[in-house]
Amino acid sequence: KQEVTQIPAALSVPEGENLVLNCSFTDSAIYNLQWFRQDPGKGLTSLLLIQSSQREQTSGRLNASLDKSSGRSTLYIAASQPGDSATYLCAVIKAAGNKLTFGGGTRVLVKP
Amino acid sequence: NAGVTQTPKFQVLKTGQSMTLQCAQDMNHEYMSWYRQDPGMGLRLIHYSVGAGITDQGEVPNGYNVSRSTTEDFPLRLLSAAPSQTSVYFCASSYSIHTEAFFGQGTRLTVV
Repeated sequence: KQEVTQIPAALSVPEGENLVLNCSFTDSAIYNLQWFRQDPGKGLTSLLLIQSSQREQTSGRLNASLDKSSGRSTLYIAASQPGDSATYLCAVIKAAGNKLTFGGGTRVLVKP
Repeated sequence: NAGVTQTPKFQVLKTGQSMTLQCAQDMNHEYMSWYRQDPGMGLRLIHYSVGAGITDQGEVPNGYNVSRSTTEDFPLRLLSAAPSQTSVYFCASSYSIHTEAFFGQGTRLTVV
């Protein structure tokens, strides 16, 4: 059974510092991995999707890496801003899967 | 762009009542799904559909019913609400099961 873990569960950084968010998964036979952002009381917003054949994906200040063999993905957010405060979730899907398996999320607070 | 629209945003039900959570998407996506989000449990798949007329069960289908008569709509029915169904419900859609998923804003349901 696929398990997805995000450590730490919460993170607080001063504005301007780079954020590093971790995601690990137990079954490396994934098709893709997706990072989401969730603001309090809101839905999930897709940030980046990495195919299993890719090593990284970039969008603006966001960069996500994927090491399928070790079962890890890292989301980097450069020069953090208070507006980056949110919960960040990663999710994986297997090639023969029918669902996204989510991690528990990392709650980020960027202090001005 | 409307994306994925869920209604209502909030709902309080009494035990035993039934109701339908609405979900509509305007992206012509074939794959649609329902998740529930609970503290400490993360997001869990309830039901999903790979196209009009085709639905299947996810991890936690008991007490819920779905149908997919059009590509755009995927309603979730609670047959006889129980306090254990108190949760935040999210509808998601994607072009296929393996492509980028887009989520609605959620329905916060309380069963008393």
